[in-house]
Amino acid sequence: SQTIHQWPATLVQPVGSPLSLECTVEGTSNPNLYWYRQAAGRGLQLLFYSVGIGQISSEVPQNLSASRPQDRQFILSSKKLLLSDSGFYLCAGNTNYGYTFGSGTRLTVV
Amino acid sequence: QKEVEQNSGPLSVPEGAIASLNCTYSDRGSQSFFWYRQYSGKSPELIMSIYSNGDKEDGRFTAQLNKASQYVSLLIRDSQPSDSATYLCAVDRGYNKLIFGAGTRLAVHP
Repeated sequence: SQTIHQWPATLVQPVGSPLSLECTVEGTSNPNLYWYRQAAGRGLQLLFYSVGIGQISSEVPQNLSASRPQDRQFILSSKKLLLSDSGFYLCAGNTNYGYTFGSGTRLTVV
Repeated sequence: QKEVEQNSGPLSVPEGAIASLNCTYSDRGSQSFFWYRQYSGKSPELIMSIYSNGDKEDGRFTAQLNKASQYVSLLIRDSQPSDSATYLCAVDRGYNKLIFGAGTRLAVHP
């Protein structure tokens, strides 16, 4: 079965600082991978998805970027964080059984 | 119009009752539908997937799909306090993009 690993679990960063969140996958090869953000009390917003190494599709133009340097690695980055980047960031992958999520990173920009 | 719409709730039901959660979607070409449960501060976990019109049962959960009406529902029988969570409806609208509703908060009281 597929397992999604994310770290860190929580992060507090000052405005203007850079960001790098990493997601790794085990138990499957060539998965489709996704980054979602969930604001407090809201649903999940799809940010980026990737169908393979180096292939990134952006759903919402914003202060973030994504990269997929390896088949099982998906990275979310920002050069300068904004207050509005705060939220719960979730990495997901899909298999024939559905989409599974990592445990998430709660980011607070101060 | 939002792509996936849910009543935000809270939906309050007594222990042992049937909880009925509803979801509508806008893209008539959508083929795959999912229900996720999310406890506060945690990542979503998949409860049910449904792909064909009709009902699909798994234990206390029944998912119902009506593509003509663009409507998906989730029934929880014999509701327990441990079922108290936010339930997210998700629709795969093709190209492997899973779009979520904002979720319905369910509260099961003893």
